[in-house]
Amino acid sequence: DVKVTQSSRYLVKRTGEKVFLECVQDMDHENMFWYRQDPGLGLRLIYFSYDVKMKEKGDIPEGYSVSREKKERFSLILESASTNQTSMYLCASSFGGPTVNYGYTFGSGTRLTVV
Amino acid sequence: SQELEQSPQSLIVQEGKNLTINCTSSKTLYGLYWYKQKYGEGLIFLMMLQKGGEEKSHEKITAKLDEKKQQSSLHITASQPSHAGIYLCGADSSRGGSEKLVFGKGTKLTVNP
Repeated sequence: DVKVTQSSRYLVKRTGEKVFLECVQDMDHENMFWYRQDPGLGLRLIYFSYDVKMKEKGDIPEGYSVSREKKERFSLILESASTNQTSMYLCASSFGGPTVNYGYTFGSGTRLTVV
Repeated sequence: SQELEQSPQSLIVQEGKNLTINCTSSKTLYGLYWYKQKYGEGLIFLMMLQKGGEEKSHEKITAKLDEKKQQSSLHITASQPSHAGIYLCGADSSRGGSEKLVFGKGTKLTVNP
């Protein structure tokens, strides 16, 4: 069964900490994405990547960075965590080129609380 | 930029009742995806529609894309508690398949036994 795996389901971090959220996919997908989901705001795109070592800003990149050293792994980094970054973080991946049939495959999400 | 409006925002139905969720786009839809999310979990792909007038069904869920490709509906027949969750529509943000999906804010469905 194809999978997108996020390393943690729940995470509690302190303000100012550097936080790493890891995402691994086993489908050989070119594209990977990081979203955050908040009540009333829906899914908002933070960063995405079309290829190894390639990254592009999404709609809300401030306070975040990403790393894609290998095709299967896409990491989201909170440089200095703040309470307004408390959220559900969702990783997704897809094939390159026009999406056909399946859109994105999502991970199970990481619920991050910053205290 | 493309925006997707979902209605209603939330829905409470009695088990066995039919229901419809709508997704309306500000621009022509070149690929429309429906996802379901169980509370606190990731999104599960349901169906994808591309052609005007297209309709797809899976078990008791039917999704349609209108001829003008600006509105989609998701219909659940004889709802069950297992249908409860958040339903989200997503769309390709450009004609060429940019790979970047935009999403509606979701419809929260509660099915009471």
